[in-house]
Amino acid sequence: DQQVKQNSPSLSVQEGRISILNCDYTNSMFDYFLWYKKYPAEGPTFLISISSIKDKNEDGRFTVFLNKSAKHLSLHIVPSQPGDSAVYFCAASAGTASKLTFGTGTRLQVTL
Amino acid sequence: DAGVIQSPRHEVTEMGQEVTLRCKPISGHDYLFWYRQTMMRGLELLIYFNNNVPIDDSGMPEDRFSAKMPNASFSTLKIQPSEPRDSAVYFCASSLTGYTQYFGPGTRLTVL
Repeated sequence: DQQVKQNSPSLSVQEGRISILNCDYTNSMFDYFLWYKKYPAEGPTFLISISSIKDKNEDGRFTVFLNKSAKHLSLHIVPSQPGDSAVYFCAASAGTASKLTFGTGTRLQVTL
Repeated sequence: DAGVIQSPRHEVTEMGQEVTLRCKPISGHDYLFWYRQTMMRGLELLIYFNNNVPIDDSGMPEDRFSAKMPNASFSTLKIQPSEPRDSAVYFCASSLTGYTQYFGPGTRLTVL
């Protein structure tokens, strides 16, 4: 039972353009959402998070949008840079802050 | 401040052998997590500790797996006996609040 789904395994975007990574969830108890970035041979790195009381959170080039009614969140990266090429995981927690459920990841490639 | 430290980075062993993975969390973090990443199952939580006490071990696959946290700065994940299906990347993560988790570089385990 995949409670957090990232349906696009890969995405290719040109440098300077916007990258949009999507994530859907099924558990209505999820109330905190995070995005992690992972480079090969490294651990996931925290990128940005959002609480369910908000619908948008912005940090520099990264913005996360949350649509609770659709059980959908997205990560926007603008402008995209070659260094953004990585695997992006969304994760969610339900009340118990510590237990994160991860999606399967989306590999982003930013081309020159 | 140093991040989460894991050792060894790579481990190759033969089926039936005991394997011990080690983790040093970020100083001051009260939460410690062990994850396993495989192609089939993605990133899954095995167990987590709060203040050195195991809180949720429901993700531990079977009795061959055990984890300990004897003090705030050290944790081990042990597999005895190891099997080829245990081959994966094992991540340790720590957190101050339980929400945002900071991952180590991982240990790539290969069981022949």
